[in-house]
Formats: sequence, structure tokens, C-alpha cells
Amino acid sequence: EDKVVQSPLSLVVHEGDTVTLNCSYEVTNFRSLLWYKQEKKAPTFLFMLTSSGIEKKSGRLSSILDKKELFSILNITATQTGDSAVYLCAYKTSYDKVIFGPGTSLSVIP
Amino acid sequence: DTEVTQTPKHLVMGMTNKKSLKCEQHMGHRAMYWYKQKAKKPPELMFVYSYEKLSINESVPSRFSPECPNSSLLNLHLHALQPEDSALYLCASSQDPSGTSSNEQFFGPGTRLTVL
Repeated sequence: EDKVVQSPLSLVVHEGDTVTLNCSYEVTNFRSLLWYKQEKKAPTFLFMLTSSGIEKKSGRLSSILDKKELFSILNITATQTGDSAVYLCAYKTSYDKVIFGPGTSLSVIP
Repeated sequence: DTEVTQTPKHLVMGMTNKKSLKCEQHMGHRAMYWYKQKAKKPPELMFVYSYEKLSINESVPSRFSPECPNSSLLNLHLHALQPEDSALYLCASSQDPSGTSSNEQFFGPGTRLTVL
């Protein structure tokens, strides 16, 4: 059965800390891995990863995929209170199916 | 226009009512999705339309009936729902269902549904 596992499930850090969120998956027909940030409403897209070893960056956020070991990480440096959210990892199959992991709830305290 | 819109934002309905959720995008995306999200849980895929044809139905009960009248619109018709169907219903779209181009999903703001 296809599945996505995220760790930790919740995390509390202080402003300025660096965090690493983990996502591992066991899927068939893998096509891409997606990271989303969800605050109170709909998820907002962060990254899409399809190739191993190529880091994607956007400001203080970065992500990388390891297709051999079937995992991805999302790094956030110099965290701010506005980074508090649930971070969702999802994979997309060749048949356009998207399956989400349980999410990591990040709280950044001043 | 780079957004997905959903109406209504909130909906309260009884178990005998019939209602519809609407989703619209004008980005030329050819894949559209319905998700259900319960509190503190990730979105769960319900349906996928690719090129206006239903391509995935994740064993959703027949009291939920999707419809894709054209490439910009997606509806979800609701009938005889149960209280446990109360959730946030999210619509999403992506550019190219089967190609190799960048294929992130854009989500709408969701409809918060309460079934009494």
C-alpha cells in the first residue's frame, strides 16, 4: 500500500532556529514529491521535486529529494513566527493521483 | 488570473438537503481535483478530472457526485449527506495531467461544510 510518513509530527522552536522536516515514502508509479504549507486555509505550494540530489531553494526554505532512499527533507533557516504552520509532504503518481502525508505542525515562538 | 475560486465559503445543510459546491479556474489547467479535509488531518483525494473526464474516484460514496461542465468549472453535488461528512472541501487544479511540465497543484480556499 502506498504511504507517506512525516517526522516529526509536531515541533516547537524559537525564532532564529533552523529546522529540518522529514518525509519518507513507499509508493508505486512515483512521479514527483510536493511540499505544501498550510496555515488556516488551503495548502500553498512550496516545492515540487522530481530528480534526486538537486536542491530547490526559495528564500529561507530549501528542499531535496533522494529517490534511492525514498525520502525528502525540507529545511527552514532563521525561522520566524510567520513560519508557524502545518507542512505537508505529498507524492504524485503517474496517474495524477496525489497522496498527502500526515503533516508536521511547526510552532515558532518569539 | 492565477487563482482557484470556490463558492460558497461556508455551507450548512441538513441530511435531506441537496446542495452543490462550485470551483472555477481560468489558468487553462486541464486537471481538477476535489479533496476532503477533516480537522488536524491532511487532505484526502476524492476525485480527479483530466481533460474534463473523470479519471480517479477514490471509492467515494455516491452521495457525492462530481461534475465537470467545462475545462474551467468543477462542481460537487451533495445529497443525503451524513454529519460525518462535515469537513473542509478543497478544489485544486494543475496544468498538465499527463505531461512532463511543472505540475504543482493550486488550491482554492475551500468550502467549510457542516451537515446537521
